[in-house]
This record gives sequence, C-alpha cells and structure tokens, in this order.
Amino acid sequence: QSALTQPASVSGSPGQSITISCTGTSNDVGGFNYVSWYQHHPGKAPKLMIYDVSNRPSGVSNRFSGSKSGNTASLTISGLQAEDEADYYCSSYTTSTTWVFGGGTKLTVL
Amino acid sequence: EVQLVESGGGLVQPGGSLTISCVASGFTFSSYWMYWVRQAPGKGLVWISRITNDGSGTNYADSVKGRFTISRDNAKNTLYLQMSNLGAEDTAVYYCARVGCTSTSCKGGDYWGQGTLVTVSS
Repeated sequence: QSALTQPASVSGSPGQSITISCTGTSNDVGGFNYVSWYQHHPGKAPKLMIYDVSNRPSGVSNRFSGSKSGNTASLTISGLQAEDEADYYCSSYTTSTTWVFGGGTKLTVL
Repeated sequence: EVQLVESGGGLVQPGGSLTISCVASGFTFSSYWMYWVRQAPGKGLVWISRITNDGSGTNYADSVKGRFTISRDNAKNTLYLQMSNLGAEDTAVYYCARVGCTSTSCKGGDYWGQGTLVTVSS
C-alpha cells in the first residue's frame, strides 16, 4: 500500500498551464482507469476534480483535464487562476479493493 | 444537497479508544459504499478503510488493521470508525467520503465531509 508518487510542489503564473504527475504501479494506476484527482484547500473538504482518469464532475471547470499513460496519470490545469492555488491529490482504486492516494502536490500561483 | 458531517473527534491518551461518526444526508445512504481518509498534521491524505453499502464487506489499510473497525447504521444514515490502541501516529483529521462507484465507473470519494480532528497525546 505505498502512496502514489507526486511532485511535492509545482508553480505557474496566471494564465499559464501546469501538469502534475502521479506515478503508481500495475496494481493501481496502471491496472484500472479509476484515477481521481482532488483539490484540497486547508481546513476544507477535498473536492473531486477528475474521475475515471479524464472525466470532470458537473460544475468543474474545463480548465482541468486528466490523462494516463501506463502507470502514470497526469492532471493539467490550463489558464491558471489565483483560486487554483491549493493542494492536489491523485487517488487510484487498487487490486486489493482499496484506494491509495498520492503524497500531494502544492500548487502555487505566482 | 449531499452533506457529510463528522463528529466525535477530540483528545485521547495513547493506548486509548475513540469512536467517530459521520452523519449523511441528501442522498440514499444505504445505496453507497463509504470510506474514511485521514490527514496527519502537515502530511497528505491517506486512505484507511471502506465499507460496502450494506455493511457486509470492509477493508483496511495495513496501518490500522486490527485496531480500527468501520461500521454503519443505515437506519440512522451514520458511518462509524471505532479506533483502539491509539498512538501518536493516529493524530490526524479524519474525513468520511461517499464512494461513487458503479460497475463501469469509479469516482472514489465524490463527496467529503469537513473532517474531525483526533489528537492522541498524554
């Protein structure tokens, strides 16, 4: 049950695009198309931003997109805005019928 | 509107026990799996346990297996986490989340509560 691997931090200027990677194994990210991404502002409830690798829940901006190649999933945020500054976590369903999260990535909007 | 409200957190001594709750509203609670996730101070989210919609199936992270028990009361729309033999490493904000999975799609936790803080300290 090792955590998925994410970069600790990324940053970008308003209007730019950034990508956060999430690397797992064939037992989680690579084995299922059940990767989700969450936005978490400290002290608030995490918010689902992407599910099933690339699907957006209703109400989530189309500036957020997801993809996957092999054991690595990615979240891309385009047209960065100040309100995007938050912690982002990937998560995957696993072969053990459990879930695993990434270590989290702090996004700073410069 | 889907709402999940956790409660029952607080200060507990090492080796002690505590049960936290999560009351659900705005959806048919008995139709959904649920899970608990925790976040230690300054750390990331960590999945710890899940339960099927009827309570017949449970699963745990290795770090809590044998010490924590997840359960639910569908008549009360309430999810529980019984925690025992607590240690400093269990200090965290505990979140409950609804699991939005079907046979062809799995959102993981699609709605989350605000969390309840459990502090293990003497």
